[in-house]
This record gives sequence, structure tokens and C-alpha cells, in this order.
Amino acid sequence: SQKIEQNSEALNIQEGKTATLTCNYTNYSPAYLQWYRQDPGRGPVFLLLIRENEKEKRKERLKVTFDTTLKQSLFHITASQPADSATYLCALGGNAGNNRKLIWGLGTSLAVNP
Amino acid sequence: NAGVMQNPRHLVRRRGQEARLRCSPMKGHSHVYWYRQLPEEGLKFMVYLQKENIIDESGMPKERFSAEFPKEGPSILRIQQVVRGDSAAYFCASSSEKQGYTNEKLFFGSGTQLSVL
Repeated sequence: SQKIEQNSEALNIQEGKTATLTCNYTNYSPAYLQWYRQDPGRGPVFLLLIRENEKEKRKERLKVTFDTTLKQSLFHITASQPADSATYLCALGGNAGNNRKLIWGLGTSLAVNP
Repeated sequence: NAGVMQNPRHLVRRRGQEARLRCSPMKGHSHVYWYRQLPEEGLKFMVYLQKENIIDESGMPKERFSAEFPKEGPSILRIQQVVRGDSAAYFCASSSEKQGYTNEKLFFGSGTQLSVL
């Protein structure tokens, strides 16, 4: 069955360092992959989308890579700040223009220490 | 420009009562999705609606659960005769339409935390 895995253990890093979060998947060929941020008691907030034919996407301090051979996406936050502390979710979409069947990871909790 | 609005934020019901969760999508968005989230299970798709139509309800239990998105007013997720296992955070998301397709980017509300006593 389709499976998506994110680092289950919380990630603790020092302010200013680069945080790297991993999203691995099996038995699936996504058309695109999304990363969201979720704060306690709030809904997820969209960060980045990368398509199957794209290797890398950047937005300010964020960078996402997508390796369809390894079936893995890496999410990097450079020059991390305490305000980046949150849970980060990855979601896989099977068809372009169709987000009904998004498959969600459980998320990785990131804590950036001042 | 208001985002996705959900209410109530917290809802407490006794077993057997009905729960009504409301969602107003972002202005200009015609696609609404309902998700359920439990700490150990992640986000689970329940139902996808467009104005006056249920497009996909494959993630929603066939009994006790229903959803609507009327021409006027918010989308409603209704749970009849609630049981303890219905306790969870319920999130609504909306998206716009892009060139005839659903825009993959989802905008989420803050959720309704349902607690069944």
C-alpha cells in the first residue's frame, strides 16, 4: 500500500543553522509534492509545491528537492530562526489539478533554539 | 481578505448528540475539502465539494456523516449521534480553480476540535 514517512523524532537545531527534513514514500508515483507548516491548534499553511519533473524549488530561506528515483523529498530551512519552530507536513498528489487524494505524512516537529 | 473561516473552534458534545461544523472558504474559492486529524494518524481526507455538489465523499463514513456546500452560506459537516471515536480535529480547506483544474494549493482553516463526552 502507499506509504509516506517523515522523521518521527523531533528535530532540535540551533538558531542560524540549516534544518533538513525528510519525506520518503513507497508504492507511489506522485505528480507533485507539497510541504506545509502547522502550528499547534492551527491548520496547515502551504509553503512550497514541487512537480515530478522538477528537481529543486526555492522560496526565500526554503529549499525543496524532489528525487523520484530515491522516492524522497528534502526540505531545507537555511538560517533557521526560533519562529520556524513548528510541525512540517509533506503531502503527495497523484494527479496534477487534483488534490482530492493527497496522501499526508504525520509531520516532523522542528524546534529552533535561540 | 479573510482566509478560510471555521466555527466553532471547540465543540463539546455528549454521545448521541449531533455536531455541526461550519466552514466558509476563502473569497473566490469554489472547492471545499474536509479533513480529520488525529495525532497518530495524520490528516485524512473526508469529502470534497463544489457549490451544491458533492464531488468525492470516499473518505467519509457512510453512516452518521454528511456534508453540504449550498449555493449560499458556508459548507457544513454534520455528524449525527456522535460517539467518542469521533473526537478529533476537523479541518476545512479551500482551493481556487486554475485553467479548469483544481489548484493544488490548499488553504486551511484553524479547525474545529470536537470532543465527545
